[in-house]
Amino acid sequence: QEQLVQSGAEVKKPGASVRVSCEASGYTFTTYSMHWVRQAPGQGLEWMGTINPNTVRTSPAQKMQGRVTVTRDTSTRTVYMELNSLRSEDTAVYYCARGGSRYGADALDIWGQGTRVTVSS
Amino acid sequence: QSVLTQPPSASGTPGQRVTISCSGSSSNIGSNTVEWYQQFPGTAPKLLIYSNNQRPSGVSDRFSGSKSGTSASLAISGLQSDDEADYYCASWDDSLSGHVVFGGGTTLTVL
Repeated sequence: QEQLVQSGAEVKKPGASVRVSCEASGYTFTTYSMHWVRQAPGQGLEWMGTINPNTVRTSPAQKMQGRVTVTRDTSTRTVYMELNSLRSEDTAVYYCARGGSRYGADALDIWGQGTRVTVSS
Repeated sequence: QSVLTQPPSASGTPGQRVTISCSGSSSNIGSNTVEWYQQFPGTAPKLLIYSNNQRPSGVSDRFSGSKSGTSASLAISGLQSDDEADYYCASWDDSLSGHVVFGGGTTLTVL
């Protein structure tokens, strides 16, 4: 069964960093891209960036450049998203989502369950 | 302010057909495919339509998508109460080194 399982909720102080993990199972890890999407409370979806687990090439959203780092560990089939210099506006649910399947390069066909990150002093 | 523009809300009665629009530009919808996602409260989004008008396996044929120029739309026929959800359009945008853009989302209410 193809699935993505994310790490648990985090509470951070402004200025800190957070790292969210996303473990893939049930499919060939390096075949598909992994995207990160976040959703602030009561708001819509915001794309943060993507990584090709095979080439390690990343493409962060321009708004996030310099603050977000996406990495992967093929031995554990895990993708990591690290966001630094946290501010209150970063409070959101963070999702990883698989791309590049038979449904097309940009279709996100499998999603993690979400990780709630709260930034509060 | 989302790059793709959707109406914030839509509604219909059971059995009715409703459509949700999504407006973009030449750098996104005008030159790339459109996907639609369905999201219930407290859950992750689910891929509903890909490549403008294709349904992933397991998605009801009551859902259909279309695209024309720089706009797209999602149609839901035979509306059911469990279609109440938020719906998001998305597309790749070729500007700024390329990125995914989403609509602001449309909350569908079944009256």
